[in-house]
Amino acid sequence: DVKVTQSSRYLVKRTGEKVFLECVQDMDHENMFWYRQDPGLGLRLIYFSYDVKMKEKGDIPEGYSVSREKKERFSLILESASTNQTSMYLCASAQGEMSTDTQYFGPGTRLTVL
Amino acid sequence: QQQVKQSPQSLIVQKGGISIINCAYENTAFDYFPWYQQFPGKGPALLIAIRPDVSEKKEGRFTISFNKSAKQFSLHIMDSQPGDSATYFCAAPLGGGGNKLTFGTGTQLKVEL
Repeated sequence: DVKVTQSSRYLVKRTGEKVFLECVQDMDHENMFWYRQDPGLGLRLIYFSYDVKMKEKGDIPEGYSVSREKKERFSLILESASTNQTSMYLCASAQGEMSTDTQYFGPGTRLTVL
Repeated sequence: QQQVKQSPQSLIVQKGGISIINCAYENTAFDYFPWYQQFPGKGPALLIAIRPDVSEKKEGRFTISFNKSAKQFSLHIMDSQPGDSATYFCAAPLGGGGNKLTFGTGTQLKVEL
């Protein structure tokens, strides 16, 4: 079974802190994604990576950056956390570039910024 | 702007009833329509998917109905059970490299005894 793990289930940070969210997948997938999930807004894509060191902005990249130094690991970075970044963050991975390739999600990290 | 519009936002169904969730889209280039199911405390997982060259796909109690001319597709859950209580998302591929998906806003389904 594909496993996508996220470093923390719950995280509380203060405004202005630098925050790292880590995601690891164990299936040698090419593509990895970071989404945020907010009530009434669904899942919104923050960043996408299709290869090591390659990244592409999603719908809402402002205030975020990403890092993919190894194929299995994709990190989301909040350079200076703000209260409006309080949300559920979901990482996903997928094998290839076909539209039919299933995205496999981690359990999510609920981030609260005070 | 939401590329797939999902309704209703929430739904309460009695055990044994039929749950229906609808999605509409504008982009006729979309060629694949998955539904993801998310239980509390878990990430979404693929439930069922359809390509636009068929009008219906059934897997157990879950059926996707697809209306290409109306640009709509819907998820039907027959004989709904309390274990089906979850949030459901429709989605479509954004294209442009990679298999990025655009998701609907989600429907929170509660099946009552």
